[in-house]
Amino acid sequence: AQSVSQHNHHVILSEAASLELGCNYSYGGTVNLFWYVQYPGQHLQLLLKYFSGDPLVKGIKGFEAEFIKSKFSFNLRKPSVQWSDTAEYFCAVSLYNNNDMRFGAGTRLTVKP
Amino acid sequence: SQTIHQWPATLVQPVGSPLSLECTVEGTSNPNLYWYRQAAGRGLQLLFYSVGIGQISSEVPQNLSASRPQDRQFILSSKKLLLSDSGFYLCAWSGSGRYVNEQFFGPGTRLTVL
Repeated sequence: AQSVSQHNHHVILSEAASLELGCNYSYGGTVNLFWYVQYPGQHLQLLLKYFSGDPLVKGIKGFEAEFIKSKFSFNLRKPSVQWSDTAEYFCAVSLYNNNDMRFGAGTRLTVKP
Repeated sequence: SQTIHQWPATLVQPVGSPLSLECTVEGTSNPNLYWYRQAAGRGLQLLFYSVGIGQISSEVPQNLSASRPQDRQFILSSKKLLLSDSGFYLCAWSGSGRYVNEQFFGPGTRLTVL
């Protein structure tokens, strides 16, 4: 069955530490990939997206993600996290030409000041 | 600019009572509309999506139903709520057409069934 896996359920880091959140998917066709973030008490919002082209995608707030097709992965990275990055992060995948989007279970990030 | 509204923001209902959650989108026409349920540690589960008025696709069998009476209005309903219907419900919209656009989410409704 098609699925999206986020292996880290809760990550705790100190400020200035580097971040990498894993995301793997099991769709077989051409995919569109997304990372969403939900800050405490706020709407779910788009962090970055990949449709085609350069597999290294830059997003808002210094985040980036790399699409590795051979590994079916789209990991999220940030070189140096801040306390304000504390949030829940969701990876999402949709098939090309299909509006049906599937989300991972989410990773809660806690950044200690 | 486009905005998406959901109401109510919070709702406490007894088991067996009916439910109606409303979602409206402004600033766009013919959007695709979605209902999700967000559960802790389980991410977002797609419940329904709609590509047009009166067109509803259901993703999972459940106690809920959805309707789209107008282009930019999407309603989530139940005739008799169950305890297991408690959760956080999110409405989202995306652009229609050939290519997938990102989905934009509303503020959500926290439903507690007692």
